[in-house]
Amino acid sequence: ETGVTQTPRHLVMGMTNKKSLKCEQHLGHNAMYWYKQSAKKPLELMFVYSLEERVENNSVPSRFSPECPNSSHLFLHLHTLQPEDSALYLCASSQFDSVSGANVLTFGAGSRLTVL
Amino acid sequence: AQSVTQLGSHVSVSEGALVLLRCNYSSSVPPYLFWYVQYPNQGLQLLLKYTSAATLVKGINGFEAEFKKSETSFHLTKPSAHMSDAAEYFCAVTFEAGTALIFGKGTTLSVSS
Repeated sequence: ETGVTQTPRHLVMGMTNKKSLKCEQHLGHNAMYWYKQSAKKPLELMFVYSLEERVENNSVPSRFSPECPNSSHLFLHLHTLQPEDSALYLCASSQFDSVSGANVLTFGAGSRLTVL
Repeated sequence: AQSVTQLGSHVSVSEGALVLLRCNYSSSVPPYLFWYVQYPNQGLQLLLKYTSAATLVKGINGFEAEFKKSETSFHLTKPSAHMSDAAEYFCAVTFEAGTALIFGKGTTLSVSS
């Protein structure tokens, strides 16, 4: 399997549930990201991991907890979410290109989360 | 503050017509610029990127974009639209090598026959 794979593709949960989103990349990249995509809003960067170390946390509520056990896997643990957290959660990975200086992201298909 | 703005949340064209999707950035340093496309129920796919090598950048599916420093723009174009081009398009920018991207709000492209 190639690219960035996200599971589950769809998730419905109550506000008291605990669930996790999983992301796996098969590209040999050294950085992984979680983005939130809500209707009518720009993509929001949530977390960045580089070489398995969290390097960015954009003021995300503590009910979202990321985990990066190795360079190929990224999790987003969800606990006591709110209905406004319903969105498409996109995982991405990248490899820094020292020649161009660019970080080109490869995205997964996303996990559609609905919080009831 | 550094930012990216996409003008027009929705663009409609006829099949075979020119596609023009607008993107402007605000920055005091040279940017790295990207266009991504998102088809329904899918993630974002890279169309093309500008990294200072050439101002006119060609991407996949016949799209291209031109970096104009004087206008702080990076508009996406395609000479002839196809029905399969209907999707949401995102302009993205990073202002420091190796940092995470900042995305615009997106432009939905509709193509009619």
